[in-house]
Amino acid sequence: DAGITQSPRHKVTETGTPVTLRCHQTENHRYMYWYRQDPGHGLRLIHYSYGVKDTDKGEVSDGYSVSRSKTEDFLLTLESATSSQTSVYFCAISSLTGNTDTQYFGPGTRLTVL
Amino acid sequence: AQSVTQPDIHITVSEGASLELRCNYSYGATPYLFWYVQSPGQGLQLLLKYFSGDTLVQGIKGFEAEFKRSQSSFNLRKPSVHWSDAAEYFCAVGVIQGAQKLVFGQGTRLTINP
Repeated sequence: DAGITQSPRHKVTETGTPVTLRCHQTENHRYMYWYRQDPGHGLRLIHYSYGVKDTDKGEVSDGYSVSRSKTEDFLLTLESATSSQTSVYFCAISSLTGNTDTQYFGPGTRLTVL
Repeated sequence: AQSVTQPDIHITVSEGASLELRCNYSYGATPYLFWYVQSPGQGLQLLLKYFSGDTLVQGIKGFEAEFKRSQSSFNLRKPSVHWSDAAEYFCAVGVIQGAQKLVFGQGTRLTINP
């Protein structure tokens, strides 16, 4: 286990409502990532963080925001959920050392937007 | 742009048979390559990774992969599969842009016949 938890594990919500997903790590790793997994697309990077209050966009960031106020927590927010955001969301952590890095993944959150 | 292609969406093999899962990547620089496995309802587990050096990489659960620069490939192999190997397998390339971002293939679902 890489010491990563995600909450909630499952959520059903309605279109237009705000949703926040939480990723918590106990490893004190600098880097944290949010990916979404959809059939036929593998995993795609939404946002990532390279330190407290330091975040940047990934490949599919539209409609998502993130925050990292402390090392151990990385929050993903859907300000106004849409059905296209129904997906499985994975958090990952890593500690980039030089140019080599390995990401370890959490258990995922299954989000359904009706 | 970086990309990863896994040509086989679904593969079925008999228990005890050999396995090869294909992965082709497109990346202009030296690639960092990964194979992850995902069991149903679970997160992703790292099988093996290639950063540099020996092009034949050994991983967990008896898997190995060979990096072939001339073919832009990083195929995963196992000499004899077990029923517990049934899962989805993802190949990924690591792109260093500030952090190391993973670009995933679409995944290959492996079914094992008894």
